[in-house]
Amino acid sequence: GAGVSQSPSNKVTEKGKDVELRCDPISGHTALYWYRQRLGQGLEFLIYFQGNSAPDKSGLPSDRFSAERTGESVSTLTIQRTQQEDSAVYLCASSPRTLTGAGELFFGEGSRLTVL
Amino acid sequence: RKEVEQDPGPFNVPEGATVAFNCTYSNSASQSFFWYRQDCRKEPKLLMSVYSSGNEDGRFTAQLNRASQYISLLIRDSKLSDSATYLCVVRPLRGSYIPTFGRGTSLIVHP
Repeated sequence: GAGVSQSPSNKVTEKGKDVELRCDPISGHTALYWYRQRLGQGLEFLIYFQGNSAPDKSGLPSDRFSAERTGESVSTLTIQRTQQEDSAVYLCASSPRTLTGAGELFFGEGSRLTVL
Repeated sequence: RKEVEQDPGPFNVPEGATVAFNCTYSNSASQSFFWYRQDCRKEPKLLMSVYSSGNEDGRFTAQLNRASQYISLLIRDSKLSDSATYLCVVRPLRGSYIPTFGRGTSLIVHP
């Protein structure tokens, strides 16, 4: 498809379980971002990948959160031992690299995670 | 002080009204500025970039005031379809260019 694809679109899990969320960026986009949006709240930055550079993990809230990306392709966000406060929509965005680094972000529809 | 601050609203206006939102940012090294629109339970989408000289796109006008560190969005002749949350976005001058999103301002346009 032409846009950013995320899966699953909805995930309900029990507290303590691990979950894996997937993001397939737009082909050719070198930058990939993960954000979290809790109900009624703004977007909270989690992690950023740019090409083959080391990712910027400064937004990850705890060591239960990790993410990987192979080259400029698919990324997975893993949450271990989920807690109820992890319930949120996890949004992935990709962006082309520009000279100024200010390329538009294109978002996927998000993965809605509910931890019971 | 939060990096990017917006009045959450909601702004409740009748069709045809003119409405303006402001957004303040704390990082004076910020380089790029944007307004995104987010419909209920949808992903954010770029509405418009904000240029130093100000810019207009149809009914929408964006302005930047670097000295006071705020940007604004003006919507003229509001339509029902303008009802959404408007997110202010700021990107730094250098480094990883990670965009910071404001919490958003909710707009409700009623008949």
